[in-house]
Amino acid sequence: AQSVTQLGSHVSVSEGALVLLRCNYSSSVPPYLFWYVQYPNQGLQLLLKYTSAATLVKGINGFEAEFKKSETSFHLTKPSAHMSDAAEYFCAGRSGNTPLVFGKGTRLSVIA
Amino acid sequence: ETGVTQTPRHLVMGMTNKKSLKCEQHLGHNAMYWYKQSAKKPLELMFVYSLEERVENNSVPSRFSPECPNSSHLFLHLHTLQPEDSALYLCASSQEFGGTGELFFGEGSRLTVL
Repeated sequence: AQSVTQLGSHVSVSEGALVLLRCNYSSSVPPYLFWYVQYPNQGLQLLLKYTSAATLVKGINGFEAEFKKSETSFHLTKPSAHMSDAAEYFCAGRSGNTPLVFGKGTRLSVIA
Repeated sequence: ETGVTQTPRHLVMGMTNKKSLKCEQHLGHNAMYWYKQSAKKPLELMFVYSLEERVENNSVPSRFSPECPNSSHLFLHLHTLQPEDSALYLCASSQEFGGTGELFFGEGSRLTVL
């Protein structure tokens, strides 16, 4: 069965610094992986997804993630943090026709 | 209206009340979902409907009762809830159940049970 683990429930970065949010998956078959963002009092919005095409996936708002099979990872990065990036980020995954499984989320704070 | 719309956005109810949450998607999708989001917990999948048939029911207490009258509408009927049921309830839809498609979420219904 698919499971997703996000390392770090809270990450704090300075404005302009690199953002790195970690996600590891476990799956017996190639997974489909997603990153979502949730702003306060809103639903989840898709940032990007990996569906076994290119291993480096570019998303909205300057975010990207790289699928590394050898490390079973799908970490989310952004070169330069902006104040507006402060939100909760969720990694999610599924294998085949199974429900999407979400990680516990990582809250990103951006310090001016 | 576009996307996934949830009403009401906020709901306060007593433990003996009966209320319903409504979700409507305008995306032409075939699958719809209810998730529960509580503080300090991962998103919990409650129910999945695909082509109006329930395909997942994750051991949800019977005080939560879903209804999917057509592929565009999904309801969550609530009765005799407990304070621990207070949470953000998120509705989502996807083109099909499973596969590579992403879920599209509504903004949620914040439920408080007194």
